[in-house]
Amino acid sequence: GQSLEQPSEVTAVEGAIVQINCTYQTSGFYGLSWYQQHDGGAPTFLSYNGLDGLEETGRFSSFLSRSDSYGYLLLQELQMKDSASYFCAYVGGATNKLIFGTGTLLAVQP
Amino acid sequence: ETGVTQTPRHLVMGMTNKKSLKCEQHLGHNAMYWYKQSAKKPLELMFVYSLEERVENNSVPSRFSPECPNSSHLFLHLHTLQPEDSALYLCASSQEGLRQGANFPADYGYTFGSGTRLTVV
Repeated sequence: GQSLEQPSEVTAVEGAIVQINCTYQTSGFYGLSWYQQHDGGAPTFLSYNGLDGLEETGRFSSFLSRSDSYGYLLLQELQMKDSASYFCAYVGGATNKLIFGTGTLLAVQP
Repeated sequence: ETGVTQTPRHLVMGMTNKKSLKCEQHLGHNAMYWYKQSAKKPLELMFVYSLEERVENNSVPSRFSPECPNSSHLFLHLHTLQPEDSALYLCASSQEGLRQGANFPADYGYTFGSGTRLTVV
């Protein structure tokens, strides 16, 4: 079958580093994406890993290991505005469209 | 604004009503999508339109009927809905294509609208 697993909730303090893990199971896989969604807002694209390794974009980094069917999103120097839900997603399905995980609710505390 | 506009933002409808959700994208993308987001569940892909042609319908009940008159507009027509259909309905668009130098599809980044919060009473 096809699935993505993420922790449901993560709590961290301002200035800290947090890692949100994602494991996936699928018969066809091209790459792993990450999206951020603030409460009541639109999901916004953060990053995409098409190849194994680390992709860095400012305070956010994303990692992929195809051999382990595993990826993570790393958020550094946490700010209060980073409190949101974070979704991993992969391109899959009958016509290679985005399939999402259940999301991780990140709460950043002062 | 993300470049994808959805209206209305909120909708309350009875089970016998007929209503439509509207999505418009100003990004020049060639693919549009409807997703359903319920509490504690993953975003569920409902419909995919690529170049105005429906290419995927994920076993969605017939009480949901999509329409894509052109590459910038997408509608979701609703009729005789059930209370369990209450959710956030998200529209997204993307530019389909192949990442340069590779021979597999890649995620260039879907752009989502802010959604329509639907309540069925």
